[in-house]
This record gives sequence, structure tokens and C-alpha cells, in this order.
Amino acid sequence: AQSVTQLDSQVPVFEEAPVELRCNYSSSVSVYLFWYVQYPNQGLQLLLKYLSGSTLVKGINGFEAEFNKSQTSFHLRKPSVHISDTAEYFCAVSDEPMNRDDKIIFGKGTRLHILP
Amino acid sequence: SQTIHQWPATLVQPVGSPLSLECTVEGTSNPNLYWYRQAAGRGLQLLFYSVGIGQISSEVPQNLSASRPQDRQFILSSKKLLLSDSGFYLCAWRHRTTYEQYFGPGTRLTVT
Repeated sequence: AQSVTQLDSQVPVFEEAPVELRCNYSSSVSVYLFWYVQYPNQGLQLLLKYLSGSTLVKGINGFEAEFNKSQTSFHLRKPSVHISDTAEYFCAVSDEPMNRDDKIIFGKGTRLHILP
Repeated sequence: SQTIHQWPATLVQPVGSPLSLECTVEGTSNPNLYWYRQAAGRGLQLLFYSVGIGQISSEVPQNLSASRPQDRQFILSSKKLLLSDSGFYLCAWRHRTTYEQYFGPGTRLTVT
């Protein structure tokens, strides 16, 4: 079964510094990969997704992620963070192709703290 | 465009009372629907999912049940709430031809 590991439960970063949030998945088969962001007391919002094609995926709010098949990783990066990026970030994976009853598996989340 | 609604936004219920949380989706048809619970520090726990009217799959044995009486309506219920049912409940949907899920705004449930 698929699993997702987010190696850091919390990441503190100074404002305007770069950040990388790490994500590794377990499957050796082809996968779809996602990053979601959750602001306090809100639902999850899709940041970006990798389905196929270029391994570097750009998303909203200046975030990007790189799919690395050999390392089964999909790390999220931003070159300069802002205080408004304070949130919890979830990595998620599903098998490709995605059948009707397939599920997306979520990691436990990484809380990003932006320090002034 | 598609929209997903959840209500109520917050709920405080005593132990042993019943529960009904509702989720509806607009702007799409025949979506997959999901109920998740989020407890502090434990990430997202998938509770139920549905691929069609009356079709419910349970992921975790528990005090809760789900129903899908209409194509775009998903209800989470309990006959008797436990303290451990407290948490943030999220509904989500996925269209059969896309791969990402879209989440509702959530319901914060506190069982006292």
C-alpha cells in the first residue's frame, strides 16, 4: 500500500529566506503527487500537482516542487517566504492511473512557521 | 465552477448526543465524495468515501456512519458521540476524470 512520509513535523524559517519541505513516498510504480496547504481553521487548498511531463512543477503562491523518481521524493520549495505562508502543508500520493475508487494518501503534514 | 459546502462550521455537543454533518457539492455531477477527520498532530484520517448514491466505503471502524442520499450530498452521522469524536471534519470531492481532490471549509466538532 502507498504511504507518504513528511520528514519534518515543523519547520521554522525567517521571513524572506528560502524553504524546502520534504516528502517521500513508498510506491515504486507510477504515481500522481500533490501538495496541499491548510491555513488555520480552513480546508485544504491544492498548491500544485504532478501527473506527468516535466519533473519541475510550479504552483500557486510562488511554490514549486520537483519529482524525483529514483529517490521517490517530491520536495516543495519556495525561494523567499512571506509571513502569509504560515500554514500546514500536506504531501499526497495516488497510484497512476487513478481508478474510480482509488484514494489519495496524505502525509501527516508539516507546519511552516515564518519568523519575523 | 464547482463549490463544496459544509455545515455547520462549528458544533459543540455533549457526550452521548447524536450528530449530523452535511456536505454538498455544486457544479459537478457524479463526484467521488470523502469524509476526513483531522485531530491535532495526526494529519488527515480518511473515514468514508463514496463513488455513487448509496455506495459507502468505510476506512476505519468507529462510532460514525455515512450516507449519500443524493448524488451531490454526503452526510456524516453518529447515534451517540464520544469524547474521542472531537476534531475537525473535512469533506472533499473528486471528479472521475481529474485526479486532485477539493476540500470544503470544514466543521470543528467539540464533544464535551
